Amino acid sequence: GAVVSQHPSRVICKSGTSVKIECRSLDFQATTMFWYRQFPKQSLMLMATSNEGSKATYEQGVEKDKFLINHASLTLSTLTVTSAHPEDSSFYICSASPRGSGRGNTDTQYFGPGTRLTVL
Amino acid sequence: LAKTTQPISMDSYEGQEVNITCSHNNIATNDYITWYQQFPSQGPRFIIQGYKTKVTNEVASLFIPADRKSSTLSLPRVSLSDTAVYYCLVGTGANNLFFGTGTRLTVIP
Repeated sequence: GAVVSQHPSRVICKSGTSVKIECRSLDFQATTMFWYRQFPKQSLMLMATSNEGSKATYEQGVEKDKFLINHASLTLSTLTVTSAHPEDSSFYICSASPRGSGRGNTDTQYFGPGTRLTVL
Repeated sequence: LAKTTQPISMDSYEGQEVNITCSHNNIATNDYITWYQQFPSQGPRFIIQGYKTKVTNEVASLFIPADRKSSTLSLPRVSLSDTAVYYCLVGTGANNLFFGTGTRLTVIP
């Protein structure tokens, strides 16, 4: 159980185009999903928290107009990188927490397989 | 938000037990400790989670002393396939989201 999928697994695009990445919780509902970015040899960096039915909460330094997040249902969140540039090339990972998946006060995060974005 | 500190890297021979310690001096009363494993170009995989004392599952054990200012992930008899980066996270729910540098474990034949 607790499987999270991402699509596509990798994408190559030209500079200036927009790219949409989907994140789905396959066997549970998630009112909240999270988007991370990871550069080579570095740790994961939280970009934003995606809330079903409301606006996403972005971390400091992350441009909300560039990284559009939509959480249309309890099992789907999308991240759109608008007008992508080479510096946006990275590994994008989403995660979600099933309700009551953890012990006590915490919910365990389950991560998707990631999406490798390369902007030429 | 409790910050975590882990060794940057560790090497171990196949078949040995590996212990990776994480320091979290500012852990809050409600915080849990969660460990993840990440292979290159993959999303992190949940390994184990605990609050105090000891937790064991089919892949690892987690030891947490009484003061909870540190925790140790124990991997019994590692194999080459355990070569990965291991992350320790401390927090509750929405606060359990910030990754430290992680520990790069290399298992040597």
